Amino acid sequence: KAGVTQTPRYLIKTRGQQVTLSCSPISGHRSVSWYQQTPGQGLQFLFEYFSETQRNKGNFPGRFSGRQFSNSRSEMNVSTLELGDSALYLCASSLVYGTTLTEAFFGQGTRLTVV
Amino acid sequence: KQEVTQIPAALSVPEGENLVLNCSFTDSAIYNLQWFRQDPGKGLTSLLLIQSSQREQTSGRLNASLDKSSGRSTLYIAASQPGDSATYLCAVLSDRGSTLGRLYFGRGTQLTVWP
Repeated sequence: KAGVTQTPRYLIKTRGQQVTLSCSPISGHRSVSWYQQTPGQGLQFLFEYFSETQRNKGNFPGRFSGRQFSNSRSEMNVSTLELGDSALYLCASSLVYGTTLTEAFFGQGTRLTVV
Repeated sequence: KQEVTQIPAALSVPEGENLVLNCSFTDSAIYNLQWFRQDPGKGLTSLLLIQSSQREQTSGRLNASLDKSSGRSTLYIAASQPGDSATYLCAVLSDRGSTLGRLYFGRGTQLTVWP
């Protein structure tokens, strides 16, 4: 059974550019969440999608956005990149029973470096 | 707001020792608690999931307990090995309507097991 797949694994961008990261969840998982990990702030929640709807959003500026497709794959976009956006971006997928999420499985992450 | 604290922040032990990692959280409105392992530069690997109604879960040399009312969880690692060296993260899944589906993470315990 394939795990959570994130692409690309590494990215180098310059300030002001935009970037799109992709996440393919485990087959059958309809909830996809995104997290940012930095040495200073640890793991911080960006947003969660279920059935193509954003159900929850963390405390990040509007430059951070996402979407989910009908096959549950998700993308997140960061526009007008800043040096402080350099981080490991992690995607997690979960099964959903009613309103309850089960165990979260994470991908290997995308390492974004902004120069 | 949910806050998760992990103690100690770092631990260095010789091979063979039994270890206790602690996690505390401030809001008892949780669906479940998960323990993860993270190797440098990698994603998160789920170790154990404890539902809010459970007290304990075991997997091989790992045992995790949950005391929801006091906001505490403990990860016990028996007979530690050098391969156990990693950062261990505790995360709680929020049950609050406004933050439903969001995982709150501690800063982790960085474990080094030397031969």
